[in-house]
Amino acid sequence: SAVISQKPSRDICQRGTSLTIQCQVDSQVTMMFWYRQQPGQSLTLIATANQGSEATYESGFVIDKFPISRPNLTFSTLTVSNMSPEDSSIYLCSVESFADTQYFGPGTRLTVL
Amino acid sequence: GENVEQHPSTLSVQEGDSAVIKCTYSDSASNYFPWYKQELGKRPQLIIDIRSNVGEKKDQRIAVTLNKTAKHFSLHITETQPEDSAVYFCAAGIQGAQKLVFGQGTRLTINP
Repeated sequence: SAVISQKPSRDICQRGTSLTIQCQVDSQVTMMFWYRQQPGQSLTLIATANQGSEATYESGFVIDKFPISRPNLTFSTLTVSNMSPEDSSIYLCSVESFADTQYFGPGTRLTVL
Repeated sequence: GENVEQHPSTLSVQEGDSAVIKCTYSDSASNYFPWYKQELGKRPQLIIDIRSNVGEKKDQRIAVTLNKTAKHFSLHITETQPEDSAVYFCAAGIQGAQKLVFGQGTRLTINP
């Protein structure tokens, strides 16, 4: 399976600020995804990061709040904008492998004060 | 859209016994059903998956069954060990592994 890394691994931010999370894969992948996992909860898909075009957002998530970039087949970023304490979560990127399975990065633990 | 219900939310079994976690899905177009294990502070890890053209799949102590008619699938863990303690998530995908909808999770505790 692909090796996926995320930066930062954790951060504590002040409300009203923005944080950009990076996701790097060691091989080219077609599909990359961003998920949110609120404390003690399940995983919710935020968006699909499309290479060369705008991301596809799920219901309840908007580009202004969660802008996503995908400049190439191995890298993507998710920005959490104008943060509030409700944005405190773990943010995970994932990739679809050639075998049509999905693997997750280690996650970014975000705390907003 | 797709909705996945997972039961139970918590499960406690004695070491060596079997554990069963069940999920139901709403969209009959779903064709891919993975199970993930998430240990505390770690990423979700794929442990087994099944596609809609198969009724059962086994990998050592872990098995998954799928009933397309009833739209439910289950995870079976036999001869449980302390290292099986974790949160388990089921998921369903309509476009294969691309758009996964996750269940609420089951916290499994193996008592020595």
